[in-house]
Amino acid sequence: KQEVTQIPAALSVPEGENLVLNCSFTDSAIYNLQWFRQDPGKGLTSLLLIQSSQREQTSGRLNASLDKSSGRSTLYIAASQPGDSATYLCAVRGGATNKLIFGTGTLLAVQP
Amino acid sequence: DVKVTQSSRYLVKRTGEKVFLECVQDMDHENMFWYRQDPGLGLRLIYFSYDVKMKEKGDIPEGYSVSREKKERFSLILESASTNQTSMYLCASSLFPSGSWQFFGPGTRLTVL
Repeated sequence: KQEVTQIPAALSVPEGENLVLNCSFTDSAIYNLQWFRQDPGKGLTSLLLIQSSQREQTSGRLNASLDKSSGRSTLYIAASQPGDSATYLCAVRGGATNKLIFGTGTLLAVQP
Repeated sequence: DVKVTQSSRYLVKRTGEKVFLECVQDMDHENMFWYRQDPGLGLRLIYFSYDVKMKEKGDIPEGYSVSREKKERFSLILESASTNQTSMYLCASSLFPSGSWQFFGPGTRLTVL
């Protein structure tokens, strides 16, 4: 059974710092991996999607990488801003279930 | 601008009540999903639908049912609400049956007393 883990559960950084969020998954037979952002009390917004054949995807200050063999993905945020404060979730679409399996998220606080 | 709307942001119900959560999308997506989100457990799939009148159980369907009479609308039904169904409920839609590139609604915070 696929399990997705995100560590740390919470992270606080000063504005301007570059940071990395981690996502790991137990079954490497995935089709793709997505990163989402969730603002407090709101739904999720898709940020990036990496296909299993890709190593990374970039959107603005965000860069997501995927290492399928080791079951890991990272979300790199450059020059963080207070507006980046949110919960970041990763989700994998995998193998047998063909459904999205979500991690529990990392709560990011960027201090001005 | 794509949109997924949910009928209520906050809902308070009593144990045993029948509860309807409505979700509407305007993107002509065939695939729609209902999740619940709980602290420490993440998002868990309750039910999904890949076409009108079609539905499939997700990971935690017990205590829930769904209805999809029109393409744009997907309803989640709690036949007899219980306190352990207190949660945040999120609806999503996607062009893809796999659920890739899902668009989410704002969520309904349901409290069952």
